[in-house]
Amino acid sequence: DIQMTQSPSSLSASVGDRVTITCQASHHSSNYLNWYQQKPGKAPKLLIYDASNLETGVPSRFSGSGYGTDFTFTISSLQPEDIATYYCQQYENLPLTFGGGTKVEIK
Amino acid sequence: QLQLQESGPGLVKPSETLSLSCSVSGGSITTGTYFWGWIRQPPGKGLEWIGSMYYRGYTYYNPSLKSRVTISVDTSKNQLSLKVTSVTAADTAVYYCARGPVVRDGAPGFFQDWGQGTLVTVSS
Repeated sequence: DIQMTQSPSSLSASVGDRVTITCQASHHSSNYLNWYQQKPGKAPKLLIYDASNLETGVPSRFSGSGYGTDFTFTISSLQPEDIATYYCQQYENLPLTFGGGTKVEIK
Repeated sequence: QLQLQESGPGLVKPSETLSLSCSVSGGSITTGTYFWGWIRQPPGKGLEWIGSMYYRGYTYYNPSLKSRVTISVDTSKNQLSLKVTSVTAADTAVYYCARGPVVRDGAPGFFQDWGQGTLVTVSS
C-alpha cells in the first residue's frame, strides 16, 4: 500500500493568511493525488484532483501542486469558512489511501 | 442534482454482519462511467477506502477488508449495498457511499459526490 503522510497534523492561522499543507507519498504517485475538505459532522468534499485541478465550484483561493512523492495544498487567503480538516488521497495504486488529515483552525 | 443517502442499522452486535444501503437519486447508477464506493471513518480518525464497484460488475476491495466485505449494486432499486461480516468494535465508524469517475486503467480514482454518512456502532 502507498502510505500518505500529511504535515502538519494541525495548524492555526489568522484570517487572510496563506496556509500550506504537504502530503508525502511512500511511493511514486505521478499526479494521482487528490485533496478533500471535511467540516465537522459533514462528508468530505473534493477540492483538488490530479494534484492541481480545481473541482468545479471550488473557490480559486484553493490550489494544489506536486508530482511523484511530494505534494502541496495551499489556501492563498484563509477565510473563516475554511475551518476544516483536509485530507490528501492517492490513486496511483489500489488500495486507495488517504493521509492522516490536517486540522486547520483560526488563530 | 445527484443525491446519495445511506441507511441501515445504527447498532450491530460483535460477530454479526453489518448491512448498509445507499439510495441514489437524481441520476441512474448505470449512467456513464462512474465507480460507486464505500469509505468509512472511525470516530475522531481518518478516512479508509473500503471498496468500489462499477455497475457492470467490476469490483475492487481494500485487501485489509476484502475477506469480510461485499459490495453490490441493485440496478432496479438504483441502490448500492455494503456487507461486512464478523464485525468487531474496530468496525465502528461513519460509513459513506460515494461516486467518482472511472479513471486510468478503468479503476476508481477520486470521489466527487458523497452521501451524508451513517454511524454504525458495533457493541453488544
